[in-house]
Amino acid sequence: DAGITQSPRHKVTETGTPVTLRCHQTENHRYMYWYRQDPGHGLRLIHYSYGVKDTDKGEVSDGYSVSRSKTEDFLLTLESATSSQTSVYFCAVRESGGEQYFGPGTRLTVT
Amino acid sequence: TQLLEQSPQFLSIQEGENLTVYCNSSSVFSSLQWYRQEPGEGPVLLVTVVTGGEVKKLKRLTFQFGDARKDSSLHITAAQPGDTGLYLCAGGESGAGSYQLTFGKGTKLSVIP
Repeated sequence: DAGITQSPRHKVTETGTPVTLRCHQTENHRYMYWYRQDPGHGLRLIHYSYGVKDTDKGEVSDGYSVSRSKTEDFLLTLESATSSQTSVYFCAVRESGGEQYFGPGTRLTVT
Repeated sequence: TQLLEQSPQFLSIQEGENLTVYCNSSSVFSSLQWYRQEPGEGPVLLVTVVTGGEVKKLKRLTFQFGDARKDSSLHITAAQPGDTGLYLCAGGESGAGSYQLTFGKGTKLSVIP
């Protein structure tokens, strides 16, 4: 258990509304990641952070933004949600040996 | 872009049987990780292999990293219903400022009692 929590765990929202997902970690990890998981696509990296206020894009970053104002929190924002962003979102942290540990996920449905 | 292909995609076997899951790439990875994911939960790390030819055992699970560090396999001996889940392999690469993982699409295993 890497001390990762995600909130909310489930959310239903309407197309065009903004949505923010939160990832919180308690073990002072420097690197944090946001992935989405979809059938047929596996886990795909959206954005990652390598320190406070240091973030970069992943494979599928269009339509998403992130912020990290303190070590323990990494926020993922959908500025204007679309149906194609219906997915399960996972946050992960990186241990010193390179392994990543995942949170429990947020199931987001955009109607 | 580095790709990891897992096979088979789906596997349904009887309790007590043996099975092997494969993870292949044309690219070299600095490490290879295996995860198991159960419905409604996040992936859980099983093992990391970093040296070409490395073999690691975790109870009835045996993991092998290919000599060229392009492929890996997971062998389960005498599968049990508790082994049911989605098995994911992930290749590690070092990028500027981060350590990123490339994931395979997974093998969904069902072990029937």
